[in-house]
Amino acid sequence: DIVMTQSPVSLAVSLGERATINCKSSQTVFYRSNNQNYLAWYQQRPGQPPKLLIYWASTRESGVPDRFSGSGSVTDFTLTISSLQTEDVAIYYCQQYYDAPWTFGQGTKVEIK
Amino acid sequence: QVQLQQSGPGLVKPSQTLSLTCDISGDSVSNNFAAWNWIRQSPSRGLEWLGRTYYRSGWFYDYAVSVKGRITINPDTSKNQFSLHLNSVTPEDTAVYYCARGLSGSYPHPWSQGALVTVSS
Repeated sequence: DIVMTQSPVSLAVSLGERATINCKSSQTVFYRSNNQNYLAWYQQRPGQPPKLLIYWASTRESGVPDRFSGSGSVTDFTLTISSLQTEDVAIYYCQQYYDAPWTFGQGTKVEIK
Repeated sequence: QVQLQQSGPGLVKPSQTLSLTCDISGDSVSNNFAAWNWIRQSPSRGLEWLGRTYYRSGWFYDYAVSVKGRITINPDTSKNQFSLHLNSVTPEDTAVYYCARGLSGSYPHPWSQGALVTVSS
């Protein structure tokens, strides 16, 4: 199975400041045949299911604010919140869909400093 | 718009079978480009994919190694739903369970609201 490792486990950021979350996969999630990284990011608030933010590593889901962006390729990926808002307090997960079984990172908890 | 609504008991006794159903609206369980998945989440195991069923001129099933031998996922075309059956449960199977659709070679989306299932006597 592909192991997804996120860092940091938690971070506290001031309102309006940038938050950066890293995700590393134990093997490539990049398909050369279609030039795509099979990597998604989710946001989860308490009592809610994970909400899709980013897919194909950098494509924002419809309705997701543009302060959320994804980058990276092959095995190293980043989710950036450019200007943290109160409603962004949540746990964020990366997930690979390159190979079965789907696997998820352990999550990064984002809080307000 | 695809929506998934799951149902089932919230409490199961140890050694018994956990059974959940996921009703699909806005898509078909027989969609040749979709797979229908079960995922669970617990503090100890995080988000864990359990298995899937999909139709490609016949029904196929994939299960996680961690639950293989205990899990069955069944499609029901007459009700446009799919179900999860996990037998011989222990307290380790206590988790929030989700169903989710995945299109071919794609990410899980959408997810159901999720439901806590507690294994306790």
